Amino acid sequence: SAVISQKPSRDICQRGTSLTIQCQVDSQVTMMFWYRQQPGQSLTLIATANQGSEATYESGFVIDKFPISRPNLTFSTLTVSNMSPEDSSIYLCSVTPSGVKGYTFGSGTRLTVV
Amino acid sequence: AQRVTQPEKLLSVFKGAPVELKCNYSYSGSPELFWYVQYSRQRLQLLLRHISRESIKGFTADLNKGETSFHLKKPFAQEEDSAMYYCALSGPGTYKYIFGTGTRLKVLA
Repeated sequence: SAVISQKPSRDICQRGTSLTIQCQVDSQVTMMFWYRQQPGQSLTLIATANQGSEATYESGFVIDKFPISRPNLTFSTLTVSNMSPEDSSIYLCSVTPSGVKGYTFGSGTRLTVV
Repeated sequence: AQRVTQPEKLLSVFKGAPVELKCNYSYSGSPELFWYVQYSRQRLQLLLRHISRESIKGFTADLNKGETSFHLKKPFAQEEDSAMYYCALSGPGTYKYIFGTGTRLKVLA
């Protein structure tokens, strides 16, 4: 199965700033997914990142707040922009190996906004 | 509305006792159901899929469409089963998932 490297593993950021999270996969994958897990909550899909096209955002998430890049089939970034304390969450990158339904997850980025 | 419900936030059992982690879902159609597990200091990983009808680490889960449930079971709990367990569903033809809020399983010695 695919191995995902996600960076940074954690960060503490000032409100109003932005943080870019990187996700590197050791094999080519068509779709990459970005999830958010707020404290005590479930995982919520932010967007699907496809190589060569714009990301598809879920209801409640917008590109201006969570811009995503997908320059190739092994890499993606998620930026959390103009952060507020409500953005404090764990952000997870995941992929679906070709032909198999079932995510492989990155180790997550624990973001605290102060 | 599409939803996955895990009614227990925490489940504590003694080693050797049976375990049942509950998962109920709401979905108009025929979803695929999954269990994911996160051990301490490890990343979230797929445990099993209903479509495979498999047993992983002694765990099984049967999809009950009448009761819209997908409970995770193990006849004899081990200490190494202590972890966070998430139930999730996905609609046919999509890779998007809806996750439950998770149940923390603690297996006591």
